[in-house]
Amino acid sequence: QITLKESGPTLVKPTQTLTLTCTFSGFSLSTYGVGVGWIRQPPGKALEWLALIYWDDDKRYSPSLKSRLTITKDTSKNQVILTMTNMDPVDTATYYCAHRRMAGAGTFDSWGQGTLVTVSS
Amino acid sequence: DIQMTQSPSSLSASVGDRVTITCRASQSISNFLNWYQQKPGNAPKLLIDAASSLQSGVPSRFSGGGSGTDFTLTISSLQPEDFATYYCQQSYSLWTFGQGTKVQIK
Repeated sequence: QITLKESGPTLVKPTQTLTLTCTFSGFSLSTYGVGVGWIRQPPGKALEWLALIYWDDDKRYSPSLKSRLTITKDTSKNQVILTMTNMDPVDTATYYCAHRRMAGAGTFDSWGQGTLVTVSS
Repeated sequence: DIQMTQSPSSLSASVGDRVTITCRASQSISNFLNWYQQKPGNAPKLLIDAASSLQSGVPSRFSGGGSGTDFTLTISSLQPEDFATYYCQQSYSLWTFGQGTKVQIK
């Protein structure tokens, strides 16, 4: 059974850097084709994909946020870390991490519960 | 970037109704189209991937179709637990979600 859980600060100040950790179990991020992605959702709004890291350390970023994002993995700890620089109140959202499977259309089949991050001074 | 447009943005329906949600991609995405259901306070749940492949455990009243740029999600007979927001998502080139369709009780 695949499980993921996001952790990190619930409140950050404008201009600060956000660091979120996704801790997972039930799969290995060294298995061919596997990836872990980050998706966010502002309150009452739609889902927005942010970044993804593959088993081979290949990385993909949302073009609109690429300059602010960094995604890394620690395979030994079963963790994926997302950093987002220069936080702004518009970045207030629930941040989810999700397992990207290789089969089918390569989409996100298991999600964490999400963590709400508020950006405010 | 590939843009995804869903319609309608919201709809009101009754239990037992047949409901269809459409999703259009800004360019051809073959069958790299997925559908999610999200209930308030919960993470999205994958219902259908590759346009028409129903995930294990998802009721057969849900079905998906389409290819290229135009896709549909159909609920053949709406049940009380189906009132939720539905998102389409393309996974052809990176990942992009539609703006969502909220299905409400009439």
